[in-house]
Amino acid sequence: GNSVTQMEGPVTLSEEAFLTINCTYTATGYPSLFWYVQYPGEGLQLLLKATKADDKGSNKGFEATYRKETTSFHLEKGSVQVSDSAVYFCALSGGDYKLSFGAGTTVTVRA
Amino acid sequence: NAGVTQTPKFQVLKTGQSMTLQCAQDMNHNSMYWYRQDPGMGLRLIYYSASEGTTDKGEVPNGYNVSRLNKREFSLRLESAAPSQTSVYFCASSPDGYEQYFGPGTRLTVT
Repeated sequence: GNSVTQMEGPVTLSEEAFLTINCTYTATGYPSLFWYVQYPGEGLQLLLKATKADDKGSNKGFEATYRKETTSFHLEKGSVQVSDSAVYFCALSGGDYKLSFGAGTTVTVRA
Repeated sequence: NAGVTQTPKFQVLKTGQSMTLQCAQDMNHNSMYWYRQDPGMGLRLIYYSASEGTTDKGEVPNGYNVSRLNKREFSLRLESAAPSQTSVYFCASSPDGYEQYFGPGTRLTVT
């Protein structure tokens, strides 16, 4: 079946540091890949997506590239802010109407 | 657009009581979902509705029932609440069965 493995946290960074959260997946066929962000006390928000190999999703300074050869979809941001403190979830959809989520990575950015 | 709305935001129940969580979306999406989120367990799918008129079990359906009332609304019912159902419940919708859009959540405590 489909599964997602993402880097365990928590991750603590200083403002303006570079952020990488690793995500790898197992799936049959050609899944769509997503990153969601959850701020404290809120629901999940779709941060970015990629639907085919070599696609790059980007939003709010975050980027992730769909790498089929390494089955990865790592999230990166070049300069984080305190407001980026949140839980980040990698997810995939294999077209069966369901999302498979990673366990989530808690990111704390200190001023 | 309000997106996905959920009511109530907070609820406290005694063991054995029943209640219905309401969810509505105004994006004309075909698919709708119910998840629960527990510390250390990530997001787990309870039930989903791929399209109006259909519902299917997810990963953790025991103790819950759902109704897809119409295209907009998807409710989750707890017939006899148990402390193990203390959780945060999220509703989501999807236009195509791939990316999903989440509501703000209902925080349920069962004593």
